[in-house]
Amino acid sequence: DVKVTQSSRYLVKRTGEKVFLECVQDMDHENMFWYRQDPGLGLRLIYFSYDVKMKEKGDIPEGYSVSREKKERFSLILESASTNQTSMYLCASTPTGLAGTNEQFFGPGTRLTVL
Amino acid sequence: GNSVTQMEGPVTLSEEAFLTINCTYTATGYPSLFWYVQYPGEGLQLLLKATKADDKGSNKGFEATYRKETTSFHLEKGSVQVSDSAVYFCALSGNTGFQKLVFGTGTRLLVSP
Repeated sequence: DVKVTQSSRYLVKRTGEKVFLECVQDMDHENMFWYRQDPGLGLRLIYFSYDVKMKEKGDIPEGYSVSREKKERFSLILESASTNQTSMYLCASTPTGLAGTNEQFFGPGTRLTVL
Repeated sequence: GNSVTQMEGPVTLSEEAFLTINCTYTATGYPSLFWYVQYPGEGLQLLLKATKADDKGSNKGFEATYRKETTSFHLEKGSVQVSDSAVYFCALSGNTGFQKLVFGTGTRLLVSP
């Protein structure tokens, strides 16, 4: 089974802190994604990566950055957390061969609260 | 650009009732269409998909038919169970090259015994 894991299920941080959210997949997938999920807004793409050290902005990249140093790991970084970044963050991955059919495999999510 | 519109929830049903969750889309070309499900406390998982017009996706008793003439992909199930309580997301992607998924806002389904 494909397994996508995220470093924390729940996280509480203070305004201005630097926050790292980690995602690891164990199926050698080329493509990885970070979304945020908010009520009434569905899932919105923050960043994605189609190869090691490659990254592309999604629809809402402002206030975020990412890092992909190894194929299995994709990190989301909040340089200076703000209260409007309180949300559920979901990581996903998919192999290149399935990109056209877009069956993405999701982690369980990290619920981040910024106080 | 591409977009997905799905009915607002929550949808509240009794066990064994018939379920329909409406989904319509706007897209150029011939997108692929998906339904993802999110059970409480979990990430999303693919429920079913259809990649061309008139295709029917099905899984776990759920069905959806890709209707190009009405740009719709409604989710149906003949008899829901309490265990179907979840949030359902309709999504689409283009069919050429690397295409991002575009999600609807999600519809919460609550099934009572």
